Amino acid sequence: DAGVTQSPTHLIKTRGQQVTLRCSPKSGHDTVSWYQQALGQGPQFIFQYYEEEERQRGNFPDRFSGHQFPNYSSELNVNALLLGDSALYLCASSLDTPGGYTFGSGTRLTVV
Amino acid sequence: AQSVTQLGSHVSVSEGALVLLRCNYSSSVPPYLFWYVQYPNQGLQLLLKYTTGATLVKGINGFEAEFKKSETSFHLTKPSAHMSDAAEYFCAVSDVPHGNKLVFGAGTILRVKS
Repeated sequence: DAGVTQSPTHLIKTRGQQVTLRCSPKSGHDTVSWYQQALGQGPQFIFQYYEEEERQRGNFPDRFSGHQFPNYSSELNVNALLLGDSALYLCASSLDTPGGYTFGSGTRLTVV
Repeated sequence: AQSVTQLGSHVSVSEGALVLLRCNYSSSVPPYLFWYVQYPNQGLQLLLKYTTGATLVKGINGFEAEFKKSETSFHLTKPSAHMSDAAEYFCAVSDVPHGNKLVFGAGTILRVKS
């Protein structure tokens, strides 16, 4: 059973560009959350999707947006990239019931 | 607002020694608590979680943690460290088991000396 799959694994973008990161949740999971982990820090919550809607959002600007598809997969979009957006972006999936989150291996985004 | 404090950004132990990683939390509602491990260039792997019930929680790889409400703590322990335990460990809190975000601590890097 595949866990959470994220693509691409690494990405280099230029300041001002736009980027889309993708996540396929663990089989059976219906909730997807995105986290940003800057170097040397703990993950920071960006937002969570359930039933194709954004259910909760962290303290991130509107440049960060997302989408969840009917098959529960999700995308994270970041517009007008800044150097400070360089980080590991983690996707986590879960069931909307007590349990635990399953994290993917992340996408390493470097903005130059 | 919820928060997590991990005491000690770096912890060094000898192989075979006790591992103790400290975590204190702040939550306005009964918390759900988690410990995750992260190996270099990888995602997070769940070690153990506390939701309700028994306050001593056993996880994978011989780790365990005890929820102490009076101390607002959820320290992670392992009786005997192994070289393969060297990694970064994150404590996290969520006030709803799901449907709510995880708030992570800053992490503790565990070094195991031979």
